[in-house]
Amino acid sequence: AQSVAQPEDQVNVAEGNPLTVKCTYSVSGNPYLFWYVQYPNRGLQFLLKYITGDNLVKGSYGFEAEFNKSQTSFHLKKPSALVSDSALYFCAVRDTGNQFYFGTGTSLTVIP
Amino acid sequence: KAGVTQTPRYLIKTRGQQVTLSCSPISGHRSVSWYQQTPGQGLQFLFEYFSETQRNKGNFPGRFSGRQFSNSRSEMNVSTLELGDSALYLCASSSGWLRDSSYEQYFGPGTRLTVT
Repeated sequence: AQSVAQPEDQVNVAEGNPLTVKCTYSVSGNPYLFWYVQYPNRGLQFLLKYITGDNLVKGSYGFEAEFNKSQTSFHLKKPSALVSDSALYFCAVRDTGNQFYFGTGTSLTVIP
Repeated sequence: KAGVTQTPRYLIKTRGQQVTLSCSPISGHRSVSWYQQTPGQGLQFLFEYFSETQRNKGNFPGRFSGRQFSNSRSEMNVSTLELGDSALYLCASSSGWLRDSSYEQYFGPGTRLTVT
């Protein structure tokens, strides 16, 4: 069973517009949720995580994510997209068995 | 502070051979995790080591093994290589381990393994 799903392989957004990259999970218990970004020819970088507490998590580079337990979602958002945000974004979840699962990734293109 | 380093960066092997990849974590980090990244399967968790002990293991065959040394450096070994083992192998380090709420991973650039 897939533990993390990123339903969109590709997201295009105009520069200055808000962006959303979707992620849903299907693990039981209280998962830890993460977002990572992979820029071209660069390594994977941590953006933010949700462990517990406030459902809105703020991370690096102006990104934030909202944890929604009823919808089992953890969508990544940014109020105003930059061309430099163009990259591959991965959602990840750690389940109660301490297994780590990554989504298939969403390629974000910000159009000038 | 130096980042996570992985050696070698590129490797070409033939089927049936074995390979050892190395990962040096950020100074002070005691947790090292390994991942396989392929176009078809995406990013998959291999295993995690903390203080020289394997703490978690993903769903990979026994041909994939690893170890961690007292200085937290880690090696991953793949025996009897198959064509499907061609991938980017990523290593990540953390000051804590997966169970810690402060857990945050820093990734290395990866080792690109090609099996012919």
